[in-house]
This record gives sequence, C-alpha cells and structure tokens, in this order.
Amino acid sequence: DAGVIQSPRHEVTEMGQEVTLRCKPISGHDYLFWYRQTMMRGLELLIYFNNNVPIDDSGMPEDRFSAKMPNASFSTLKIQPSEPRDSAVYFCASSLRGSGGIYEQYFGPGTRLTVT
Amino acid sequence: KNQVEQSPQSLIILEGKNCTLQCNYTVSPFSNLRWYKQDTGRGPVSLTIMTFSENTKSNGRYTATLDADTKQSSLHITASQLSDSASYICVVSARSFSNDYKLSFGAGTTVTVRA
Repeated sequence: DAGVIQSPRHEVTEMGQEVTLRCKPISGHDYLFWYRQTMMRGLELLIYFNNNVPIDDSGMPEDRFSAKMPNASFSTLKIQPSEPRDSAVYFCASSLRGSGGIYEQYFGPGTRLTVT
Repeated sequence: KNQVEQSPQSLIILEGKNCTLQCNYTVSPFSNLRWYKQDTGRGPVSLTIMTFSENTKSNGRYTATLDADTKQSSLHITASQLSDSASYICVVSARSFSNDYKLSFGAGTTVTVRA
C-alpha cells in the first residue's frame, strides 16, 4: 500500500484566497483525521471522521475551516478565506479501530501551507 | 493548561548513550497512551501504544513505561543512534461522552544525537 497520500505537499497562497488540501487514506481504513502542526502550538487534532461521517470537529479553529469526506477514499480540508496565522503543516492520518478503541494511526507526509 | 506535559523540551545526547523522556498527563477516563517519533519534515510514526493494564512495552531500542496510578509515562532510548534525532510526542486517549475517543497531545521532546 502507498500509505496515506496528501496533496499538495507545499502550498503558498495570499491572504484571502481559498485553500484546499487533499487526502487519500489507506484503503480499508475507516477512520480519517486532520491535524495541524505549528512550532507554537504543536500537533492539534482538527477533526476526525468514522465511515465518512464527522465525529468530532471541536478542534476546527473557526468557520473559515471546513472538512468533507465524500467517500471512503478521499477527504478535503478547506480554508476560506485564508489568513497568515493559518500557516502550518497540515497532516492527514487514517486508521482502523481496534478492540477497546485502540487504533494505530498512519500519518501522511503533510502539506506545508504558507499564507502571505 | 495542557492535559499532557512532556519533559524535557529538548535534549542533546552523544551517540551510544541512553536517555529517558517523560510524559505526565491528567486526561481521564484514560484509554491508552502512545508515543510517536517524528523526523524533521515528516509525519509522526507510532512507536508504542499502551493500555491501562500494560506497564511496559518495547519496540527495538525504545521502551515505554506507564504508571496509570501516578499518570506518568516514560520513553527510554537505549544505545542511541544518529537516526534517533527527532521529536517524540506523547498522546493520551480518553473515552469521550459519545463513547468515542478524545486525543490529547504533548508538545513533544526534541532529541538530538551527536556523534
């Protein structure tokens, strides 16, 4: 398996523009997670899906952020309008749910977003 | 206040030496604790996952311990190698009210191994 695939790997955009990040989870995994990582705040969970349904979006910073999972093999994270403080590395991860809620998460390579 | 505190923030060790990283948490009800290794420019990779009933787990030269009573975990790196230079992140999972799981993240410890 190719692992979790994210695109683009790097994105540079101007403030106010719409940004769409894409993720293809590992085939067969039923959980998908979106994370944001910055030097100041570390790794933060933004939202996660189970069987394409959003379960917990309490980490989404504000209404400018939205995430969708139209099918089991694709998810998007959209920022509209983007702001400089959104500059970060965004990771997507996928997993299967094990017994007792233990699930191994596999992370993608990340998308480095720079908003100028 | 973060529910997962890691220490030290960073450390430098000589190749071949051992080191221990600490993770203290206040998350409850506790489900499991995991340690991730993150190389620069890459996504985190899981090293160990431990449940309430496990007090030690090894993955090669990495050994994690868990004391669920004191809510402390440690990650011990034995005979460090240059490739161990990375950030190590402690993540604690709690069962949420919806019976799914809530993840809390430590800020990470940056380890630099020097020849």
